[in-house]
Amino acid sequence: GDSVTQMEGPVTLSEEAFLTINCTYTATGYPSLFWYVQYPGEGLQLLLKATKADDKGSNKGFEATYRKETTSFHLEKGSVQVSDSAVYFCALSNRNNAGNMLTFGGGTRLMVKP
Amino acid sequence: ETGVTQSPTHLIKTRGQQVTLRCSSQSGHNTVSWYQQALGQGPQFIFQYYREEENGRGNFPPRFSGLQFPNYSSELNVNALELDDSALYLCASSLAGTGVAFFGQGTRLTVV
Repeated sequence: GDSVTQMEGPVTLSEEAFLTINCTYTATGYPSLFWYVQYPGEGLQLLLKATKADDKGSNKGFEATYRKETTSFHLEKGSVQVSDSAVYFCALSNRNNAGNMLTFGGGTRLMVKP
Repeated sequence: ETGVTQSPTHLIKTRGQQVTLRCSSQSGHNTVSWYQQALGQGPQFIFQYYREEENGRGNFPPRFSGLQFPNYSSELNVNALELDDSALYLCASSLAGTGVAFFGQGTRLTVV
């Protein structure tokens, strides 16, 4: 079945540092790929998405490129802020599965220190 | 437009009891999915409803059941609660075909 693997956290960075959170996936067909963010005590918020190979999703300074050849969708940000501290989830949605079912990775906690 | 809302936000139940969680979809969305998120883990797909019919199910036993109503709101019912059912239950609504799901804030269920 489909699966998503993320780098384990926590990832601890100083403010203005460069961020990379690795994500790789296994899926049949041509999945859509997503990054969701979860702030403490809250549900998931869609951060960005990409629906086909070589697409780049971007939002709030974060970006990720759909790499089919390496089955990866790594999240990057050039300069993190304390307010970026949260748990980040990589996910895929595969049209071969039911509707918009999402398969999530285990999440990566990011802590940004002033 | 209103977002996805879930109720209650927290509840505590005893092992063996039954629980019903509720979800109101974002306006205009016709598909609702439920996920279970254990502490420190990613959400796991329970099932999805589209136009009041179950449209896919994850690896959860039959004691997890659901409903979707004509206004697209939804319920998740769990019978014979077990300690391992303690988790954050997330509802997500979407418009079929868009591939984008919007999540509520979740219901934190504790089974003691």
